[in-house]
Amino acid sequence: NAGVTQTPKFQVLKTGQSMTLQCAQDMNHEYMSWYRQDPGMGLRLIHYSVGAGITDQGEVPNGYNVSRSTTEDFPLRLLSAAPSQTSVYFCASSYWQGTGELFFGEGSRLTVL
Amino acid sequence: DQQVKQNSPSLSVQEGRISILNCDYTNSMFDYFLWYKKYPAEGPTFLISISSIKDKNEDGRFTVFLNKSAKHLSLHIVPSQPGDSAVYFCAASAWNQGGKLIFGQGTELSVKP
Repeated sequence: NAGVTQTPKFQVLKTGQSMTLQCAQDMNHEYMSWYRQDPGMGLRLIHYSVGAGITDQGEVPNGYNVSRSTTEDFPLRLLSAAPSQTSVYFCASSYWQGTGELFFGEGSRLTVL
Repeated sequence: DQQVKQNSPSLSVQEGRISILNCDYTNSMFDYFLWYKKYPAEGPTFLISISSIKDKNEDGRFTVFLNKSAKHLSLHIVPSQPGDSAVYFCAASAWNQGGKLIFGQGTELSVKP
């Protein structure tokens, strides 16, 4: 089982560039979410989805877009990258709404110059 | 506004002794609490959880205690082992908030041989 797969693992962007972080899970989980990890800030929720076609904002949604067209995929889009978005991003999924066990991907390290 | 707080960024203990990691929360609607463990360059993994209807949950060397009146939970690891060295995150969710899982800042545990 692949679990939660994130791509790319590393990315360097220039300010103003756009990119998409991909996330796919093969566990048929309804709930998916994106977090960013920054020193001293822990894991902060960016966006989440409770099923295909349904998304909602987390704690730090500004500068990020998401969509959920299938159960398996939950991409995170940065439309105009800023240095403040330099972080490690984690995608996570679970059987139901965020409670219980969240399964995390290995993370995507993004640097914005 | 940090709803889940881990005030100790780091903790160092001797192998075989007890490790106690603490977590405080401010949202009285939180009713489910979890601990995650994270090694460098990996995603967090679920460790143990507790519902608000309980005050203690045990799983092998790991025990989580919940004090609802103080809005405080703690993770006890007995005995501590060098392989326990990692960053530990506490997390909380509320049934009426879409199941969003809110994390603390993390505590880095170092277990010395």
